[in-house]
Amino acid sequence: AQTVTQSQPEMSVQEAETVTLSCTYDTSESDYYLFWYKQPPSRQMILVIRQEAYKQQNATENRFSVNFQKAAKSFSLKISDSQLGDAAMYFCAYRSAAGSARQLTFGSGTQLTVLP
Amino acid sequence: DVKVTQSSRYLVKRTGEKVFLECVQDMDHENMFWYRQDPGLGLRLIYFSYDVKMKEKGDIPEGYSVSREKKERFSLILESASTNQTSMYLCASIQAGVGTDTQYFGPGTRLTVL
Repeated sequence: AQTVTQSQPEMSVQEAETVTLSCTYDTSESDYYLFWYKQPPSRQMILVIRQEAYKQQNATENRFSVNFQKAAKSFSLKISDSQLGDAAMYFCAYRSAAGSARQLTFGSGTQLTVLP
Repeated sequence: DVKVTQSSRYLVKRTGEKVFLECVQDMDHENMFWYRQDPGLGLRLIYFSYDVKMKEKGDIPEGYSVSREKKERFSLILESASTNQTSMYLCASIQAGVGTDTQYFGPGTRLTVL
């Protein structure tokens, strides 16, 4: 079974600064997908960014980028120019590329505080 | 836009009550999921369904059952609610198949069992 570990329960960053959230995972599969989700106080889960394991290039979405290290099984999220609206719980998630069920395995989350 | 709705944002029930949490999606997705979210534990999969009347246990199915009589609706049932089932419950759906498209989540139901 796959596991996802987020070792930072809480992080804080000054507005306009950069912060990196860590995520490691364990799997014996070679083909899979990785995701970062954001959950603001409204509780609505929002997809931030996704990465396909077979792609070596790191995904980027505006101020959000990832550092995907497949051999190290590491998938960190970098938020540049942090904004107050980035304050939320962030979850890293894994999904196997095999099968059609497409269920996600989540990490325990990192609560990000953005300081004005 | 895909919309996943859950019947209640907040719910308070008594120990021993039968509890129904309803989830509806409007995008004709085959796969639907129920997760439980607890502090420090993230989201854990309770059950999922890949078709009408089909269901599979997730990682923590004990104390729960599900029902999927129509494609758009997936219900989570607590046969006899207990205080350790006090939690946030999230429903999600996704099209069957392969690719990087993601699950769409409902707004969650915060259930308190007294």
